[in-house]
Amino acid sequence: EAEVAQSPRYKITEKSQAVAFWCDPISGHATLYWYRQILGQGPELLVQFQDESVVDDSQLPKDRFSAERLKGVDSTLKIQPAELGDSAMYLCASSAWSGGELFFGEGSRLTVL
Amino acid sequence: KNEVEQSPQNLTAQEGEFITINCSYSVGISALHWLQQHPGGGIVSLFMLSSGKKKHGRLIATINIQEKHSSLHITASHPRDSAVYICAVRKASGSARQLTFGSGTQLTVLP
Repeated sequence: EAEVAQSPRYKITEKSQAVAFWCDPISGHATLYWYRQILGQGPELLVQFQDESVVDDSQLPKDRFSAERLKGVDSTLKIQPAELGDSAMYLCASSAWSGGELFFGEGSRLTVL
Repeated sequence: KNEVEQSPQNLTAQEGEFITINCSYSVGISALHWLQQHPGGGIVSLFMLSSGKKKHGRLIATINIQEKHSSLHITASHPRDSAVYICAVRKASGSARQLTFGSGTQLTVLP
């Protein structure tokens, strides 16, 4: 069964360091989402891609976060420098179209010390 | 006030009990999703619905568009159903039509 792949599953880093997360969506899915989920809360959208284009990054803290999906397939989310408040689960999801069912990866849990 | 409210926040049930989780929203929507999140963090999509009722195994989801309310029911609950259940709505307007998530309902089913 097709899956959304994410890596790493767990990342521990010190504040001010750079961190990167990778996501490979289900083959053929045009829409890719990065979400941040703080413990006890629902996911919060950071960025949405349609193919290689960003369609919504209004909640992305652009002073330290960046995201790219250069060839419209896999995607990278980067944080530089990491801050203590960035500790969270970073979830990637994809869908065949922007209004379709979402398929989530297992997530990348970030701890910033 | 959150646009998506879930109740209860926490629910403990005995194995075999019928379970209902509620979701109310305050915006116009094109679709509502029910998601399941296990302790490891991965999220699985259970249902996507825009009207009526859907059933999959022991899970049933209903939506009342006029009342802006949806329910997720679990029949003959089992300890493996223990998870966080999240309601999310896709707004009817807005260029990106992004999802807005509730904060989840933590379900624990005891053997």
